[in-house]
Amino acid sequence: QVQLQESGPGLVKPSQTLSLTCTVSGGSISSGSYYWSWIRQPAGKGLEWIGRIYTSGSTNYNPSLKSRVTISVDTSKNQFSLKLSSVTAADTAVYYCARVDGYLFDAFDIWGQGTMVTVSS
Amino acid sequence: DIQMTQSPSSVSASVGDRVTITCRASQGISSWLAWYQQKPGKAPKLLIYAASSLQSGVPSRFSGSGSGTDFTLTISSLQPEDFATYYCQQASGTFGGGTKVEIK
Repeated sequence: QVQLQESGPGLVKPSQTLSLTCTVSGGSISSGSYYWSWIRQPAGKGLEWIGRIYTSGSTNYNPSLKSRVTISVDTSKNQFSLKLSSVTAADTAVYYCARVDGYLFDAFDIWGQGTMVTVSS
Repeated sequence: DIQMTQSPSSVSASVGDRVTITCRASQGISSWLAWYQQKPGKAPKLLIYAASSLQSGVPSRFSGSGSGTDFTLTISSLQPEDFATYYCQQASGTFGGGTKVEIK
């Protein structure tokens, strides 16, 4: 079955750009009515939706992060990516990627295990 | 932006209890609502989509209801494995603040 796996640096310096990749295995990123999304969760806090991308390249972002976020997709590698610029300590969190299923009223039906990113000098 | 407000933020309950969690949207979202369960150190798991549809493999003691702005997740008979944090989410967007279900 489809699985998602996040990868990227676990430590990023303040003011730099956080870059993460989500690799989709067990199925094609281009098949079906799916969006691909990023979500984050600071330690001990709730979930925050970051944004989503369709394989056509169309994107939607959380307005609170929109000025700093770019989500892209590489269908040849079956991957999608997150870039978050000008990071601060407030961006320290576990970052999850997830599949958004249009047949399930846009619910997030498959999640990666999450990757911890710390922003610190 | 649509805001999602969950209540209560935590609830203490015993095995076998009926537990109800509510979620309110700041504007109408029809049935575009999902519920997730998250255990410590794990990714969230989809329980309910389209406000009331049970995701495949999820026990039938979980149920969802509501439409428009007011929604409810009910666990009919709490089991030991149900102690977790629950989140509502408007479709592909904002999450509620979460409800932690704790052992009484």
